[in-house]
Amino acid sequence: AQSVTQPDIHITVSEGASLELRCNYSYGATPYLFWYVQSPGQGLQLLLKYFSGDTLVQGIKGFEAEFKRSQSSFNLRKPSVHWSDAAEYFCAVGTISGGYNKLIFGAGTRLAVHP
Amino acid sequence: DVKVTQSSRYLVKRTGEKVFLECVQDMDHENMFWYRQDPGLGLRLIYFSYDVKMKEKGDIPEGYSVSREKKERFSLILESASTNQTSMYLCASSSGEGYGYTFGSGTRLTVV
Repeated sequence: AQSVTQPDIHITVSEGASLELRCNYSYGATPYLFWYVQSPGQGLQLLLKYFSGDTLVQGIKGFEAEFKRSQSSFNLRKPSVHWSDAAEYFCAVGTISGGYNKLIFGAGTRLAVHP
Repeated sequence: DVKVTQSSRYLVKRTGEKVFLECVQDMDHENMFWYRQDPGLGLRLIYFSYDVKMKEKGDIPEGYSVSREKKERFSLILESASTNQTSMYLCASSSGEGYGYTFGSGTRLTVV
């Protein structure tokens, strides 16, 4: 069955430090992969997506993610975190189930940023 | 930019009430979705629709129904609200495979 695992429930980093959020997926075919961010009390905003081609994907707000097929991973990175990056981050995989396209989400990683 | 608008940010309803959550998108997307979000569980798909008057059950449809009479509007209905339906409800739309979803701001529903 398709699934997405985000191993870290909470992560705390200092402002200016680098960040890596982990995501592992289980899907038989070539996946479509996404990262979303949710600020408190808000809906989800798309940070970046991977369909095919270059395995390093650039997104908004200075984020990037790397698709590694051999590890079934799609980790999100940022070289220098800002206090405004404190939010919850969701990894998702696009699947085909019953003939329909759907996104399956991980449980999320909550990021706290210390000054 | 695509906009997905959920009519209410916060709702408080009583147990047993019939509750309607409304969602409207303005970009002629075929696909619309309802999720609920609970701490530690991420987003779980309740229902989705790929066309007008068409609906499909997601992973947790029990206690819910939906209506899609017009392409731009997708309504989630709680037939008889219960306290375990207290949650954040998120509506999303997309134009098709691989394009990702655009989400509304969410409706936080409390059932008392």
